[in-house]
Amino acid sequence: KQEVTQIPAALSVPEGENLVLNCSFTDSAIYNLQWFRQDPGKGLTSLLLIQSSQREQTSGRLNASLDKSSGRSTLYIAASQPGDSATYLCAVTSTGNQFYFGTGTSLTVIP
Amino acid sequence: GAGVSQTPSNKVTEKGKYVELRCDPISGHTALYWYRQSLGQGPEFLIYFQGTGAADDSGLPNDRFFAVRPEGSVSTLKIQRTERGDSAVYLCASSLGPLNRGPSNEQFFGPGTRLTVL
Repeated sequence: KQEVTQIPAALSVPEGENLVLNCSFTDSAIYNLQWFRQDPGKGLTSLLLIQSSQREQTSGRLNASLDKSSGRSTLYIAASQPGDSATYLCAVTSTGNQFYFGTGTSLTVIP
Repeated sequence: GAGVSQTPSNKVTEKGKYVELRCDPISGHTALYWYRQSLGQGPEFLIYFQGTGAADDSGLPNDRFFAVRPEGSVSTLKIQRTERGDSAVYLCASSLGPLNRGPSNEQFFGPGTRLTVL
């Protein structure tokens, strides 16, 4: 069974810093990896989707990379803002047609 | 609406009762997914529909849980004889195509239904 781990569990940074969130998975047989943002009491907002054949995706201040062979993905957030404060979740689609989530990284950006 | 919608947003019920949770996917999305999220945890997969059929229901915890999607659009998650341990946020997602077909396999989530079993 696929296991997805996110490190760190919580992160607090001052506004303006660049930061990296990490996601690792145990089974490299995946179709894609997706990064989400979740605000307290809300649903999930899709940030970036990387197919297994891709190495990275970018959207605005966000950049996600994928190294399938080593079972790792990183989400890079540039010039962090207080509005970036949320929980960030990564999820992988295994080739067994299931979708596995990590437990998330809770990010706080201090003004 | 343009996004995935779920009703009700909150449901409080008593132990032993039957509940139904509804999900309206994005129009035209063929795949639909149900997840359960407990406090402080990531969502846990329950069931995946491709069209009207359940392509994978291996995440359903036991036979008290059942889901249908009779016309390939709206889905209902049904929980019989609810238990306190069923309390969680139930999330629904949809994607344009199946999980194994990128890039149409991007999942879009609804706001969830918070179920509380007293």
